[in-house]
Amino acid sequence: KAGVTQTPRYLIKTRGQQVTLSCSPISGHRSVSWYQQTPGQGLQFLFEYFSETQRNKGNFPGRFSGRQFSNSRSEMNVSTLELGDSALYLCASSFGVEGAEAFFGQGTRLTVV
Amino acid sequence: SQKIEQNSEALNIQEGKTATLTCNYTNYSPAYLQWYRQDPGRGPVFLLLIRENEKEKRKERLKVTFDTTLKQSLFHITASQPADSATYLCALDIWVLTGGGNKLTFGTGTQLKVEL
Repeated sequence: KAGVTQTPRYLIKTRGQQVTLSCSPISGHRSVSWYQQTPGQGLQFLFEYFSETQRNKGNFPGRFSGRQFSNSRSEMNVSTLELGDSALYLCASSFGVEGAEAFFGQGTRLTVV
Repeated sequence: SQKIEQNSEALNIQEGKTATLTCNYTNYSPAYLQWYRQDPGRGPVFLLLIRENEKEKRKERLKVTFDTTLKQSLFHITASQPADSATYLCALDIWVLTGGGNKLTFGTGTQLKVEL
């Protein structure tokens, strides 16, 4: 079966701009989670969507937002970009039940200049 | 505060030996613990899951133990090969604590290098 697809793979943006990242989960998966990965902080949870509802949220400012569509595809938006937002953004899909394994996409490498 | 630590940032071992990676956590009571492998520039890949009532789980050359009293998990790779070189991450599923929803909290990761 097809894996988790994230687009775009690479992105360069200027400070102050906004960006939208996209994630297509594995067919049948209703949960999509987003993570930020940086060398200093490691993998940090941003939020999780399940059946179009945000079910869980990490400790990130309100500039980070997301949504999920009826076909389970998800988008993540970051507004007013800061240099510190440069990171690998990973999306993971799962069945959304306790103990479910997460299937990660290749990630979107965002560079803010 | 909640913390998940993995032993040393890097671990170098010789081909054929057993690699043992450690995951220690505080202030959590996870029902599940998962291990992932991550190669440079790629997303993590699921390897094994162990439940709180399981002491040990095996899959081919991989073995995971889970000690909820010590708040520790050990991850073993036997007969290691250069292809096993990667970063290994432990992750706690803290579903219960958050009151619902799928949230994995990851450790810092251990970079394993298997040398010929």
